[in-house]
Amino acid sequence: QVRLQQWGAGLLKPSETLSLTCAVYGVSFNGYYWSFIRQPPGKGLEWIGEINHTGNTNYNPSLKSRISMSVDTSKKQFSLRLSSVTAADTAVYYCAGSRMVVTAVRPNYIDRWGQGTLVTVSS
Amino acid sequence: EIVMTQSPATLSVSPGGRATLSCRASQSVGINLAWYQEKPGQAPRLLIFGASTRATGIPARFSGSGSGTEFTLSISSLQSEDFAVYSCQHYNAWPQTFGQGTKVEIK
Repeated sequence: QVRLQQWGAGLLKPSETLSLTCAVYGVSFNGYYWSFIRQPPGKGLEWIGEINHTGNTNYNPSLKSRISMSVDTSKKQFSLRLSSVTAADTAVYYCAGSRMVVTAVRPNYIDRWGQGTLVTVSS
Repeated sequence: EIVMTQSPATLSVSPGGRATLSCRASQSVGINLAWYQEKPGQAPRLLIFGASTRATGIPARFSGSGSGTEFTLSISSLQSEDFAVYSCQHYNAWPQTFGQGTKVEIK
C-alpha cells in the first residue's frame, strides 16, 4: 500500500527555519518527482518545490530564495527546509509525488499525497 | 506564472443533483489540467488528469472536459461523499499552480 508519512516541527517562531521530512512506502522512489505543497488557512494549494532521486530540483520562484530540498534514496525520504519563516508561512504542508515525465519538459499531476502537517508561525 | 481561476467559489447542489465547476487558465495549458477533491483532515484526492481522464477508482459520475484555457468538472447525481472542495491544477510548465477551489455544499 502506498503511503507518504511526513513529520516536522509544528510550531515555529518568526525567522526560524521550517524543516519537514517525508518517507515513501509502497511505490517506486526512483520513478517520481517528490514535492511539498502547502495550503494556508482559507486559501488554495501552493506548490513549493520538487526533487527526484538524483537530487534534481525544481522550485517555485516565489519561494526559491528560501527553499532547500534534499533526498536520501537509501531511506526513501525527502526533506524541505524553508528559512526565515513569517506568519505568512503558516499552512498545512503536504508531501506529494508525481510520476516523472519521460521527456522531462514539464511537471506532472500529483497522484500521491501525504496526510499533511499543520505548521504555525507565531511569536 | 499561470493563474488558475475557478468559479463559482461556492456551489449549492441538492443530493442527486448535478454540479458543474469551471476552471480558467490565464494562458493555454493544453490538456495538462488535473482536478482534485479536498476534504478536511484528509489528503487531496486526484480525480481527473489530462483534462478528461479519470484517475484509478474514480466513479464515472465525475467527468472532465476542456482544453487550452477553459475547463469543466461535472459531477452527476451527487452523493453525500461528494460534498467537498474541488481544485484544479495545471501542470503545463513550472511552477504548476492551483485554483482557489470551489466548495460544493448541500442545498
